Amino acid sequence: GAVVSQHPSWVICKSGTSVKIECRSLDFQATTMFWYRQFPKQSLMLMATSNEGSKATYEQGVEKDKFLINHASLTLSTLTVTSAHPEDSSFYICSAGGGPEQYFGPGTRLTVT
Amino acid sequence: AQSVTQLDSQVPVFEEAPVELRCNYSSSVSVYLFWYVQYPNQGLQLLLKYLSGSTLVKGINGFEAEFNKSQTSFHLRKPSVHISDTAEYFCAVTHNNNDMRFGAGTRLTVKP
Repeated sequence: GAVVSQHPSWVICKSGTSVKIECRSLDFQATTMFWYRQFPKQSLMLMATSNEGSKATYEQGVEKDKFLINHASLTLSTLTVTSAHPEDSSFYICSAGGGPEQYFGPGTRLTVT
Repeated sequence: AQSVTQLDSQVPVFEEAPVELRCNYSSSVSVYLFWYVQYPNQGLQLLLKYLSGSTLVKGINGFEAEFNKSQTSFHLRKPSVHISDTAEYFCAVTHNNNDMRFGAGTRLTVKP
């Protein structure tokens, strides 16, 4: 089956620093990838849609200058949280599309101290 | 745009009892429906999906769901739950290759 990986699986950073999260489709090419954020005991909320070779589309209320998305190849999308603050601490999950179905990565736990 | 409502935020049940987790969706176009399970600090695992065809869908771990277009529902069922089924369950909907929208989740707690 289709496999999506994320790296790192968890990261702790200091307030004000930037953190990059990678999302890779391991055995298929993905022209579209999605980034979700999940706060504790809450559902997944779509942050942005990442399209290979073009700018990402952000959901309303998501700061595009804070959450930088780069989809430089058909197997890799990156999310960079710039100038992270404690309120950015969350579980970030990516997915890659395959028709109507999406394949989810295992998630990245970000803790900003 | 499509949306999903999971009617129960928490469902406690005793081991070996049957369970139903309810999911309703709204959409003006045809949709694809999914159920995922999430264990603590882990990603999503697909339980089952409805894309087309038979409205009764069987998934992993003994779960099944029925797509009911007239009631816009996609309830998840299991005839006999185990302690290991304790987890968060999410219903999700998508249309073609668009993004996936999730329900708020249902916390299933199986008690001995």
